[in-house]
Amino acid sequence: RKEVEQDPGPFNVPEGATVAFNCTYSNSASQSFFWYRQDCRKEPKLLMSVYSSGNEDGRFTAQLNRASQYISLLIRDSKLSDSATYLCVVNRNSGGGADGLTFGKGTHLIIQP
Amino acid sequence: GAGVSQSPSNKVTEKGKDVELRCDPISGHTALYWYRQSLGQGLEFLIYFQGNSAPDKSGLPSDRFSAERTGGSVSTLTIQRTQQEDSAVYLCASSPGGPNTEAFFGQGTRLTVV
Repeated sequence: RKEVEQDPGPFNVPEGATVAFNCTYSNSASQSFFWYRQDCRKEPKLLMSVYSSGNEDGRFTAQLNRASQYISLLIRDSKLSDSATYLCVVNRNSGGGADGLTFGKGTHLIIQP
Repeated sequence: GAGVSQSPSNKVTEKGKDVELRCDPISGHTALYWYRQSLGQGLEFLIYFQGNSAPDKSGLPSDRFSAERTGGSVSTLTIQRTQQEDSAVYLCASSPGGPNTEAFFGQGTRLTVV
């Protein structure tokens, strides 16, 4: 199993729709989880951290399922500007605390007018 | 405040030449990462520095690639005898290094080997 695995997409979604994607991770000891966003020809930027209880930021909701080792990102009322690649990020945590971040390859989202 | 700074922003080099890419992390950040990204592809992990620990070099694709981090701050990624397949965007990121801390990326160096 890859350390961090995502469906590469692309997900083609009409504007205004709700879209969700998951990411699975292999290291059960991982403690920190994030979603990053990368626009075309730009560097990745933090979208949101993912907390154990789940968290929401406007139209975006992130959830963590430790038992099944996956995190999810839900985008409601999608906008054209949400078109981007979404990267799942997990810390490796080999036992000595935070031990480097592992990035998934990303899920490509295209919002269509 | 200053973010992660990478230089040069663009580099065109001839096949077989050596190149050095520089990364200035955010001041005080103990963790530093190098990734590369080919056009339309995901991030490929290269190397990770954390404080004074031995770097994780597991992602370096060949012995032509090496990286240093001097004084726990600036890092240099060196590619010797460049090949056309080395053409990519090389991204550097730094992080405070504690748990639950995000990584901040520089804008990358676009390397083209001709």
